[in-house]
Amino acid sequence: SQQGEEDPQALSIQEGENATMNCSYKTSINNLQWYRQNSGRGLVHLILIRSNEREKHSGRLRVTLDTSKKSSSLLITASRAADTASYFCATDLEGAQKLVFGQGTRLTINP
Amino acid sequence: KAGVTQTPRYLIKTRGQQVTLSCSPISGHRSVSWYQQTPGQGLQFLFEYFSETQRNKGNFPGRFSGRQFSNSRSEMNVSTLELGDSALYLCASSPRWDSDYNEQFFGPGTRLTVL
Repeated sequence: SQQGEEDPQALSIQEGENATMNCSYKTSINNLQWYRQNSGRGLVHLILIRSNEREKHSGRLRVTLDTSKKSSSLLITASRAADTASYFCATDLEGAQKLVFGQGTRLTINP
Repeated sequence: KAGVTQTPRYLIKTRGQQVTLSCSPISGHRSVSWYQQTPGQGLQFLFEYFSETQRNKGNFPGRFSGRQFSNSRSEMNVSTLELGDSALYLCASSPRWDSDYNEQFFGPGTRLTVL
C-alpha cells in the first residue's frame, strides 16, 4: 500500500502540553499536507509543505519533512481543548492528481 | 465565498439500490475529488475531475462512477449497493491541481447507510 502511516494512532494529553504526530510514506511526493477532522465531519486543511522544504510554521503548528526518511511530523504547541480531533497526513504523489491519506491520529486534549 | 456543499447529508438505502450524491465546489474551483471514509479502510480516493474530465480513479469497482458538469458541480453514483458501501462520502474541491498548490477544501460529507 502507498498509504501513509501515522503514529501514534491515538494520543491523549493535558491542555497546555505539546502534541507530536508522525507520518511516514513510501513513494516520492510533490508535497505533504496535514488535515484536521472533527468527529465525522469534513476535513480542514492545516498546512502544506513542499518536497523541497524542511520545516514550516503556521500559528501553533510546526511541520517538518524529511524526504530522505520519507517522514513528516506535526507539532501542536500549547494544546487547547478545541484541538481535540483526528489529524491526517496526505501525500500528493508525483505524477498523480490525488491525495493519499494516512489512517490518522486521534488526539484528545484533557482539560 | 460559500464552501463546498454536499447533498444530501444523510441517506439510508437498502442493498441492491443505487444512489446519487451531489457536490457543489467553491465558486471558481475546477478540480473536484471524491473520497470514501470508513472506520476500517480510512480515507480512500475515489476519483478526481477537472473541467469535466476524469483524470484519476482509485481502486474501486465499476459500481462507483462519477461525472462533472460544465459548472464544475459533480455527482457520484453507486449502483447495486452493498453493505460495505456504508461510509462517509467526502467531496473536495481545489482551484486547480498542480504540485505547488493543491490544497483541498472539503465539504461536510454525505453519510450513507446501506441496510
